[in-house]
Amino acid sequence: GAVVSQHPSWVICKSGTSVKIECRSLDFQATTMFWYRQFPKQSLMLMATSNEGSKATYEQGVEKDKFLINHASLTLSTLTVTSAHPEDSSFYICSARDLGGARITDTQYFGPGTRLTVL
Amino acid sequence: SQQGEEDPQALSIQEGENATMNCSYKTSINNLQWYRQNSGRGLVHLILIRSNEREKHSGRLRVTLDTSKKSSSLLITASRAADTASYFCATDGERSQGNLIFGKGTKLSVKP
Repeated sequence: GAVVSQHPSWVICKSGTSVKIECRSLDFQATTMFWYRQFPKQSLMLMATSNEGSKATYEQGVEKDKFLINHASLTLSTLTVTSAHPEDSSFYICSARDLGGARITDTQYFGPGTRLTVL
Repeated sequence: SQQGEEDPQALSIQEGENATMNCSYKTSINNLQWYRQNSGRGLVHLILIRSNEREKHSGRLRVTLDTSKKSSSLLITASRAADTASYFCATDGERSQGNLIFGKGTKLSVKP
């Protein structure tokens, strides 16, 4: 089946630094990737939709200047958490849709997640 | 925003028993999916049921969908300790851009 990877799988950083998380579709192309955030013991919440070659679409309440998204190719989207603070500590998960998947089936593949801890 | 509401929020059973989790949603959907998440790990896709389907089976899993009630259930039969995880339903929703909208999840604990 299709595989989505994320790197790094975990990161610890100091408050005020920036952290970049990569999301790659390994064996398929994805014009659209999604970034979710999951706080401890909570569900996944969509942060933004990453579109190849265009600006990302952010959900209400998500600061676009803080969470920079770049989708430079059909297989790579990056999320950069700028000037990270302890409240940004969370589990970040990306997903990608296979271009070959029809809307009705909505074949979507999730990465393994990145655990960010900001000290 | 969250679409689904699972109940119960937590469920503890003995190995061999059946586990039933329910999910309700608010808007019309094209399909509904169930995922499993082990503690601190990524999501594992379990099953997808389309809006024109009422029931679907996959191994020990049985999913039902009632679009008139906007609800779905996930039944795990003959549970095993390895089934211990959080289970989420997810829908595409009418406002979705292709993303999934997740419920709050049910934390299942299966005791050996």
